[in-house]
Amino acid sequence: QVQLQESGPGLVKPSQTLSLTCSVSSGSLSSGGYYWSWIRQNPGKGLEWIGYIYHTGDTYYNPSLKSRVTISVDTSKNQFSLKVSSVTAADTAVYYCARELYDTSGYYYVHYWGQGTLVTVSS
Amino acid sequence: DIQMTQSPSSLSASVGDRVTITCRASQDISNSLAWFQQGPGKAPKSLIYSASSLQSGVPSRFSGSGSGTDFTLTINSLQPEDFATYYCQQYRTYPITFGQGTRLDIK
Repeated sequence: QVQLQESGPGLVKPSQTLSLTCSVSSGSLSSGGYYWSWIRQNPGKGLEWIGYIYHTGDTYYNPSLKSRVTISVDTSKNQFSLKVSSVTAADTAVYYCARELYDTSGYYYVHYWGQGTLVTVSS
Repeated sequence: DIQMTQSPSSLSASVGDRVTITCRASQDISNSLAWFQQGPGKAPKSLIYSASSLQSGVPSRFSGSGSGTDFTLTINSLQPEDFATYYCQQYRTYPITFGQGTRLDIK
């Protein structure tokens, strides 16, 4: 059973860059067949899908965040990462890394989630 | 973006009850609809994909139905571990979007 574990600072100052890493165990990022994604959850806005990366490095970002988000992958460490620049209090949320799997029609859905990590934006 | 609307936003029920949660998409998503469960302080857990396919290991008391814009999640014979928050997720079109959640409490 794959395991996903988020790590990174729990407190980020406004205007700085939020950086998180997701470590993948019991499964290889390089094996293909999955999209590796980031999702966040805050009480005010609910769940928001941020973007995904494929093991080749191909990415797709939510247009609402695209100008501030970068997702990268390090297959040698079996990790993928999220950076959100110019953060404000609105970026305070629990951040989840997740794995997307395709269904029988070939569409990818979020089927496995990490435990999540709370990131607070405050001075 | 496709908007997902769940109802009700909260629901009270007893162990053994049958409950139904509804999710409506703002446009046709065929059967690209998933449901997941989130317990307090826990990671979300996938229950159903393709509107009605049960994820491996999920009890058969959970079922899903629907196509197009209207979908339902039904839980038969509620068990104590089922009291949690449930979300729908459309994945027909990126960005993936979620319903606002339905909190299921013990009556």
